[in-house]
Amino acid sequence: GAVVSQHPSWVICKSGTSVKIECRSLDFQATTMFWYRQFPKQSLMLMATSNEGSKATYEQGVEKDKFLINHASLTLSTLTVTSAHPEDSSFYICSAHGTSGIDEQFFGPGTRLTVL
Amino acid sequence: GESVGLHLPTLSVQEGDNSIINCAYSNSASDYFIWYKQESGKGPQFIIDIRSNMDKRQGQRVTVLLNKTVKHLSLQIAATQPGDSAVYFCAESNTGKLIFGQGTTLQVKP
Repeated sequence: GAVVSQHPSWVICKSGTSVKIECRSLDFQATTMFWYRQFPKQSLMLMATSNEGSKATYEQGVEKDKFLINHASLTLSTLTVTSAHPEDSSFYICSAHGTSGIDEQFFGPGTRLTVL
Repeated sequence: GESVGLHLPTLSVQEGDNSIINCAYSNSASDYFIWYKQESGKGPQFIIDIRSNMDKRQGQRVTVLLNKTVKHLSLQIAATQPGDSAVYFCAESNTGKLIFGQGTTLQVKP
């Protein structure tokens, strides 16, 4: 149980285009999902907290107009990287809280974004 | 600000030996700590967790120690195997948000 999937697993796009990444909780309902970014050989950095039915909360320094987050259902959150540039190339990972507690997070497999 | 850091970036151990990975955290209000294993190109995998009302917790081949006095966390892996080779992250939480440490690469030599 507690499986989180991401789609796509990898994507290559041209500079200036937008890319949407999906995060799904497959066998549980996730009231809260998180989006992280991880650059090579670095740690995971929290970008934003996504709550179902409400606006996402962004961490300091993360541009909310560039990284659009939508959490329209209890099993799906999406991250859209708008007008992507090469410096946005990174590994994007989502996680989800279950409804039974706020502590444990279940992580997705990540999405590798490469912007040319 | 809040930060979680690791003492060593790379740890190399012989197969069969025990591994100890250390972590320092700075937020004394954090009440939940987790160790994750991350293999190349994959998401973090939960290993073991501990709450602030405990100082030790054991799992299968792994033990986490928490020293709140010096704000130190460690992960001990017994009889390290080649499959344990990965990057290990500690993370702390006090509001449901996780703050990750910098990561330690564990290399297991056959």
